[in-house]
Amino acid sequence: GENVEQHPSTLSVQEGDSAVIKCTYSDSASNYFPWYKQELGKRPQLIIDIRSNVGEKKDQRIAVTLNKTAKHFSLHITETQPEDSAVYFCAASIAGNQFYFGTGTSLTVIP
Amino acid sequence: NAGVTQTPKFQVLKTGQSMTLQCAQDMNHEYMSWYRQDPGMGLRLIHYSVGAGITDQGEVPNGYNVSRSTTEDFPLRLLSAAPSQTSVYFCASSYVTGAQGYTFGSGTRLTVV
Repeated sequence: GENVEQHPSTLSVQEGDSAVIKCTYSDSASNYFPWYKQELGKRPQLIIDIRSNVGEKKDQRIAVTLNKTAKHFSLHITETQPEDSAVYFCAASIAGNQFYFGTGTSLTVIP
Repeated sequence: NAGVTQTPKFQVLKTGQSMTLQCAQDMNHEYMSWYRQDPGMGLRLIHYSVGAGITDQGEVPNGYNVSRSTTEDFPLRLLSAAPSQTSVYFCASSYVTGAQGYTFGSGTRLTVV
């Protein structure tokens, strides 16, 4: 099956700086890559996703890039704010069915 | 729409007891799944279903059973609880066709003593 690796496991940034989280996947058939944000004690919530026919997608301060050749994708958060502090999970799937998750990145934004 | 509803939110079991975690969705999603979340291990798939009457195993199915008699409901049964099953359990659903992210339930925190 698919194997998704996520780095780093923890990340601290100063408020206003950028944060980058990277994931790699193993199955070249994977074609859908969502990112989830999980605040403490809450459920994971989808924040952005990208399909394999797109190289980059932006939504305000959040962007995701995909390199199919290298089989990696990244989450970029610009102008970080304290409310961005959370655990972020990447995932990969084929046809949007079975999702394989990375092990998560705990992001702390220091005011 | 309520989305994905999970019950109970918290549960303490004794080793060897059985219980059922309930999950219901009202979005007419074909795909439903159960994950467990443990520190440092992310979300691991237990069982999933692509429609009523169809279920399959995920990464960590041992000790758990599921059934899918209706589109809306996907209960998870712990047959004989063990301390290793102490975890936070999430139910999630999505459409099968196309590529869309999951909608997660609010989670069940289970402790087995």
